[in-house]
Amino acid sequence: EAGVAQSPRYKIIEKRQSVAFWCNPISGHATLYWYQQILGQGPKLLIQFQNNGVVDDSQLPKDRFSAERLKGVDSTLKIQPAKLEDSAVYLCASSLDVWQGRRGSYNEQFFGPGTRLTVL
Amino acid sequence: ELKVEQNPLFLSMQEGKNYTIYCNYSTTSDRLYWYRQDPGKSLESLFVLLSNGAVKQEGRLMASLDTKARLSTLHITAAVHDLSATYFCAVDGNLGTYKYIFGTGTRLKVLA
Repeated sequence: EAGVAQSPRYKIIEKRQSVAFWCNPISGHATLYWYQQILGQGPKLLIQFQNNGVVDDSQLPKDRFSAERLKGVDSTLKIQPAKLEDSAVYLCASSLDVWQGRRGSYNEQFFGPGTRLTVL
Repeated sequence: ELKVEQNPLFLSMQEGKNYTIYCNYSTTSDRLYWYRQDPGKSLESLFVLLSNGAVKQEGRLMASLDTKARLSTLHITAAVHDLSATYFCAVDGNLGTYKYIFGTGTRLKVLA
């Protein structure tokens, strides 16, 4: 089974420029996540989609970041304009809900290789 | 707000030794996940823990969950160099949205 695909793998831009990242989740996974991982820290959720609807974007800096998931499959994350502090790895993950009966459901997230963004 | 803390942040250990990484979280949850990240790589799922008392083992790693203490442990038995990586725990806040909050990570270095 193919994993989560992301591109590009690396990107270097000047501050105030714009950049876009692409993610293709595992086939059949309804939920897609974008995370920002700053060096030496754990991933921080930016936005979560369920199919093509937004579930949580509370930590997305909406003045400069935007994301969309058309047709409930691929997703793009855009930064415009970029700031120095946006330098990080941007990880995409997807998950499938697993039903446990009386215990409810859970999901396990599978991560892509990430895009390393450097803003100069 | 759910907070997740790991300790230690850094761990350097000799091959063949045992050690435990701790993951504490601040609110009720019975869904906890452990991931491994190698330098420059993405996150690899290690364990999914879904109930109080859950214990999972894979090779030299064993993870457990105590939901009453809000604590998970990742125990390393007879460490080998290949286990050198950063280990993250992530907690699902039980809000029905499957939103993970990640711990700070534990950077493990196993010395030959």
